[in-house]
Amino acid sequence: EAQVTQNPRYLITVTGKKLTVTCSQNMNHEYMSWYRQDPGLGLRQIYYSMNVEVTDKGDVPEGYKVSRKEKRNFPLILESPSPNQTSLYFCASSFGRANYGYTFGSGTRLTVV
Amino acid sequence: AQTVTQSQPEMSVQEAETVTLSCTYDTSENNYYLFWYKQPPSRQMILVIRQEAYKQQNATENRFSVNFQKAAKSFSLKISDSQLGDTAMYFCALFDFGNEKLTFGTGTRLTIIP
Repeated sequence: EAQVTQNPRYLITVTGKKLTVTCSQNMNHEYMSWYRQDPGLGLRQIYYSMNVEVTDKGDVPEGYKVSRKEKRNFPLILESPSPNQTSLYFCASSFGRANYGYTFGSGTRLTVV
Repeated sequence: AQTVTQSQPEMSVQEAETVTLSCTYDTSENNYYLFWYKQPPSRQMILVIRQEAYKQQNATENRFSVNFQKAAKSFSLKISDSQLGDTAMYFCALFDFGNEKLTFGTGTRLTIIP
């Protein structure tokens, strides 16, 4: 089944404790992206990647890191999480550029206390 | 910068009725794409419909159709014969080739009443 797999689905952590949210797609998509969803703000892009070893900042990159060492994987790293990073996170991928629309992962609900 | 505006935070409609969700957008590009995504309580993001800006014909997918008014920069979603399973948050989104991303609106929470 073609899909984007995110893990974990839920995560509660403490301020300052480094964490990684994994994302993997099995569709050979070149384009991958991370979004966060907050009430009243919709979805905002954090980082994106056009291909292996090519990443760039989105609209809200502060406090996040990403890497794209393999085509299928695009992990999101929070080096020192803070409470304002409590949010619902989505990984997404697309064939070619995003004009085809995204395939989304099932989301990660992150709470930082 | 591109923007997407959804001015209806919440809507509700009786089952089997027709409902229209509004979306306006702004972009300086001539070549762009518009989308409606559905997010049910499961929180999965599901692509409902896609419209290419250079096509004048409005896109349709079964009970879902759009009214694309390019000059007015308006992109509304019509759901006909609404069903309980249509209860969800709906997001309008824009992609243009000047920005490597989908830009989303703030969403409309739609409730279908039995």
